[in-house]
Amino acid sequence: EDQVTQSPEALRLQEGESSSLNCSYTVSGLRGLFWYRQDPGKGPEFLFTLYSAGEEKEKERLKATLTKKESFLHITAPKPEDSATYLCAVQVHDYKLSFGAGTTVTVRA
Amino acid sequence: GAVVSQHPSWVICKSGTSVKIECRSLDFQATTMFWYRQFPKQSLMLMATSNEGSKATYEQGVEKDKFLINHASLTLSTLTVTSAHPEDSSFYICSARDQLAGGLYEQYFGPGTRLTVT
Repeated sequence: EDQVTQSPEALRLQEGESSSLNCSYTVSGLRGLFWYRQDPGKGPEFLFTLYSAGEEKEKERLKATLTKKESFLHITAPKPEDSATYLCAVQVHDYKLSFGAGTTVTVRA
Repeated sequence: GAVVSQHPSWVICKSGTSVKIECRSLDFQATTMFWYRQFPKQSLMLMATSNEGSKATYEQGVEKDKFLINHASLTLSTLTVTSAHPEDSSFYICSARDQLAGGLYEQYFGPGTRLTVT
């Protein structure tokens, strides 16, 4: 059975304190790994899709990397507006996404 | 990025009534859309896959007669919660698959619909 595990469950950072979120997965036939940001009461906002091990993508203070077993979302010098829940999802053969439980990031000024 | 809209953003209905939620892809055509529900402090749970011009595919445990899905065009899918009960109260979110070049794709989410059944 496909499994997606995110850690830590919650992360409290000081503004400017860089950190990383982890998404480990156990799936057969990964077609893509997705990262989303979700603010309370809103739908997930697309951040990145990674398709193969070794791939990296960046957007502002965020950088996502992918290996054969896990993905990291690095947050460099975070600001309070980076506070959100970050969701990781994997997609296998049938285009459906399986989501992890998410990591809630709180950045204090 | 591509934009997906949902309407309404929130709705309150009485127990026993039906509620329709619309999901639209605004700047791309989506042959496949997905419907999710999310309970407080939990992640998204896939309910069904909506395919344009054909019947929806429901996940195990989701009642297809209760959650009616129609995908009549390449930009519109609707979810109707029939005979709603308080336990159906939840945050419903749709997503749409945007096909990219090279057989790759990305999936974008709508802003969600908060349903409260009294």
